[in-house]
Amino acid sequence: GAGVSQSPSNKVTEKGKDVELRCDPISGHTALYWYRQSLGQGLEFLIYFQGNSAPDKSGLPSDRFSAERTGGSVSTLTIQRTQQEDSAVYLCASSPGLAFDRTQYFGPGTRLLVL
Amino acid sequence: QQQVKQSPQSLIVQKGGISIINCAYENTAFDYFPWYQQFPGKGPALLIAIRPDVSEKKEGRFTISFNKSAKQFSLHIMDSQPGDSATYFCAASNGSGTYKYIFGTGTRLKVLA
Repeated sequence: GAGVSQSPSNKVTEKGKDVELRCDPISGHTALYWYRQSLGQGLEFLIYFQGNSAPDKSGLPSDRFSAERTGGSVSTLTIQRTQQEDSAVYLCASSPGLAFDRTQYFGPGTRLLVL
Repeated sequence: QQQVKQSPQSLIVQKGGISIINCAYENTAFDYFPWYQQFPGKGPALLIAIRPDVSEKKEGRFTISFNKSAKQFSLHIMDSQPGDSATYFCAASNGSGTYKYIFGTGTRLKVLA
């Protein structure tokens, strides 16, 4: 079946502009996660959704970052007034979100470059 | 206490050899430990995962060894192949709340033909 999809695959923007990154999770997955992967680094947790609610936003690095999820499905990560340090790969993952099945399925990521 | 420490940072192995990657954690609330494989330009994909009630789990050429008392776990890739060349991440998840993953920093594996 279809996996997690993300768009755009690549985004180049100028410093100070706003960007929106989209994630389409696997159908039926109630849990959705955003992570950030900087060059040569591990994956850093940003935010977790259960349904349309975001009970854990602890990883968002600043108030320029926000995310929403609608219909228990598609999620959008928005970065306002982008900075060069925001350049990274933004990965979305979805999961059944069950104690006995915590597998997270990752999308291919959006590569963001802020000039 | 939320960290997962992974080593080595990079690893070069001859074809047919054994690749070993190690991870250590501090938070005793972690109760799920997956390993992910990532190829360049792709998202990470689950390789194998273990829970702390077992000391070893094997799937094909991939084995996780888990030492609960030492708070360490490792990935062994037997008969390593050039196609295994990728970046490997260990992770840990807490049994309550979000089940979010705390990832190690990754190991870049190169298997020489």
